[in-house]
Parts: sequence; C-alpha cells; structure tokens
Amino acid sequence: AQTVTQSQPEMSVQEAETVTLSCTYDTSESDYYLFWYKQPPSRQMILVIRQEAYKQQNATENRFSVNFQKAAKSFSLKISDSQLGDAAMYFCAYRPTNFGNEKLTFGTGTRLTIIP
Amino acid sequence: DAGITQSPRHKVTETGTPVTLRCHQTENHRYMYWYRQDPGHGLRLIHYSYGVKDTDKGEVSDGYSVSRSKTEDFLLTLESATSSQTSVYFCAISAARGGATNEKLFFGSGTQLSVL
Repeated sequence: AQTVTQSQPEMSVQEAETVTLSCTYDTSESDYYLFWYKQPPSRQMILVIRQEAYKQQNATENRFSVNFQKAAKSFSLKISDSQLGDAAMYFCAYRPTNFGNEKLTFGTGTRLTIIP
Repeated sequence: DAGITQSPRHKVTETGTPVTLRCHQTENHRYMYWYRQDPGHGLRLIHYSYGVKDTDKGEVSDGYSVSRSKTEDFLLTLESATSSQTSVYFCAISAARGGATNEKLFFGSGTQLSVL
C-alpha cells in the first residue's frame, strides 16, 4: 500500500520569507501524481500544485513550487514571499495513474503559521 | 468551484443511533469519495464510488456503508454511531475521461459529526 509521510507537524515562517514543507512517499508504481492541498481555517480543501511523476520538470504556481526527487521519493513544497493568507494546514497527497484507481492517499499534514 | 453540497454541515448525535450524511454534485462526475479527517491522521478514505451502484471500500470502512443510486448523490451511513466516529467528513468528486486521467479532486465543505 502506498503511504505518504509529512514529518513536520508544525512550521512557522516570517512574513515575506521562504519556507519549505517536506513530504516523502512510498510506492512501487512508476507513474503517479503528487499534490499539495491547502486547508485554511474555513476547512475548504484547495489544490495548490500538482506534479506528474513522468515529468522531470518541477511544477510551479506563482509563489509555490515543488522539489520533486523521484528516486528519493521526495516531494517538498516551497512557498516564497510568504503571506498571512498562506497560514493553513498543508497536505501532501499521492495518486496512481492507472485508470480505475483514482484514490488519493494523504499525509498527516503540516500546520503553517505566518509570523507578521 | 465544483458543485458539491454536503448535508448536514454539522450534526450532533448519540451513540448507537444511525446517521446518514449526504453528498450531492451537479457536475455529473463519475467518481465520488468519502473521507474522514482527524488530527494526526490527515484525510483517510472511507468508501468511494466509480459509478451508479458501483462502490468499494477504502482504508477505514469498518462501521460505514454507502449507497449511490443516482450519479449525483452519494450517501454515507453510520449504522450505529460510536464516539470513535466523531470526525469531520469530506465528500470529493473527480471526473474521468478514460485512459490515464489527471483529474484533480474537488472537495465539499465538510460535515462536522459529533457522537456523544
């Protein structure tokens, strides 16, 4: 079974600084998708960024970027120029690509605090 | 935002009573999921559906049943609620277009269930 591990239950960063959230996963599949979801206090789950394992180029979305290391099975999220609105729980998630198996496996989350 | 409605948004019930949570979508998406979120555990899959009357178990399915008689509705039932089922429950939907799909999950707003 696939597992996703987020080893940092809590992180904090000064506003405007950069922070990196860690995620590792375990799988025997060669192709899959990885995601970072943000959950603010409103409880809504918001997709931040998505990476396809067969693509070597790291995904970026504005201030959010990932460092995808397939061999090491590592998928970290970097947030640049941190803003107060970035404060939230962040979940790393994994999903295989094979049709008919659309299940997402989540990590336990990292709570990010932004210090003004 | 994807058209997903979860009801009720909050519910308090007593141990031993049956409870049904409803997820309704207006997107005509094939896949629907029920997750529960607990501190320290992230989101864990309870059951999912890949079509009308087609359902399968997730990693924490004990004590839960589901039904999907229409594309738009996915019901989660706790036959006899226990205190360990106190949690936030999320419904999610995903499209599928055959072959390898990279469709992301869209989440509902969650149901806070308290079993006393």
